Amino acid sequence: AQTIHQWPVAEIKAVGSPLSLGCTIKGKSSPNLYWYWQATGGTLQQLFYSITVGQVESVVQLNLSASRPKDDQFILSTEKLLLSHSGFYLCAWSPSTEVFFGKGTRLTVV
Amino acid sequence: AQSVDQPDAHVTLSEGASLELRCSYSYSAAPYLFWYVQYPGQSLQFLLKYITGDTVVKGTKGFEAEFRKSNSSFNLKKSPAHWSDSAKYFCALEGGPGNTGKLIFGLGTTLQVQP
Repeated sequence: AQTIHQWPVAEIKAVGSPLSLGCTIKGKSSPNLYWYWQATGGTLQQLFYSITVGQVESVVQLNLSASRPKDDQFILSTEKLLLSHSGFYLCAWSPSTEVFFGKGTRLTVV
Repeated sequence: AQSVDQPDAHVTLSEGASLELRCSYSYSAAPYLFWYVQYPGQSLQFLLKYITGDTVVKGTKGFEAEFRKSNSSFNLKKSPAHWSDSAKYFCALEGGPGNTGKLIFGLGTTLQVQP
């Protein structure tokens, strides 16, 4: 069975500090991977997607970047956090028509 | 442009009643439609999907949804509702083949089922 793991579970970071969030999926080769963001109490917005190693497409510009260094790994990062980056970050994967989400990382920027 | 509308931000009903959460969409071609549920502090769980075929689709946790092309709706239903169904529900659209995983979400409906 496939498992998707996100780290860290939660982060409290200062404005202007760097950020790196990770996502790993096991049990599936060459998965399509996605990053979604949810503002507190809000809806979800897709940020990035990747269909293969080294290839990442940006959907929304939020002063964030993403990379796919390995087949099973998807990284979300920024060098300078903004207050508006606070929220819930969800990694997701899609085996066919469904999209399954990881448990998420809750980010608070102070 | 693709969009999803969930007109009811909050729905409150009593346990044992029938629930129906509304969702309408805007898309020029045949959409793929989904419902997800989010419990407080948790991630999203997949409930059901409509791709093609039967317009009534059954999902997990006793939920079903009906796709109506005539009025571009995909309402979620369950009867009877249970207090454990209290959560936030999201309707989502995916623009068919080639857009797998590129979900467009509605704003969500927070459901409260009172015991």
